[in-house]
Amino acid sequence: GEDVEQSLFLSVREGDSSVINCTYTDSSSTYLYWYKQEPGAGLQLLTYIFSNMDMKQDQRLTVLLNKKDKHLSLRIADTQTGDSAIYFCASGSGNTGKLIFGQGTTLQVKP
Amino acid sequence: DVKVTQSSRYLVKRTGEKVFLECVQDMDHENMFWYRQDPGLGLRLIYFSYDVKMKEKGDIPEGYSVSREKKERFSLILESASTNQTSMYLCASSLNTGPQETQYFGPGTRLLVL
Repeated sequence: GEDVEQSLFLSVREGDSSVINCTYTDSSSTYLYWYKQEPGAGLQLLTYIFSNMDMKQDQRLTVLLNKKDKHLSLRIADTQTGDSAIYFCASGSGNTGKLIFGQGTTLQVKP
Repeated sequence: DVKVTQSSRYLVKRTGEKVFLECVQDMDHENMFWYRQDPGLGLRLIYFSYDVKMKEKGDIPEGYSVSREKKERFSLILESASTNQTSMYLCASSLNTGPQETQYFGPGTRLLVL
């Protein structure tokens, strides 16, 4: 079946940039998503990108999409301790309503 | 704002008990989903529903069933709870397809089966 892969852990210092990477296999993915999960909470949508876009910027967040390599990344500029969370990448085909989630990357931000 | 609520944040049950997890959304969404979340495995889809009284199996439906009698409510049922069903259970809803496939999540129910 289709798959989404992420590394499990990333540690950065406060003020640095964080880059979380994701690869997916579904070539028919229409939308790709980043969700954030804070401790003890559900998932919160951060941003999404349509597959015909290369980049999307939203304040401190930059999403880059390389459709040829099926690679998605989320860059967080000036990372703060409040950014510490699990970040999930997800792909959607746009016609089933289902999303396929990666394993989640735990971002640890050290002061 | 979309609101998805789950009936319990924490639940402790014994092996063999029947367990009901309830999820309610208030935005008239067509689609509803149940996932379980385990460390290192991400979210795995148990069941989903496109409409009232409709259900589809996800990736790991064994040991679970669901019910959707009303559009706003989607219930997950563990017929006979087992220790390997100890997990975090997340409910989500989405309007439809396209960019409206964006899923909105509840806060989760952490279930411990003893």
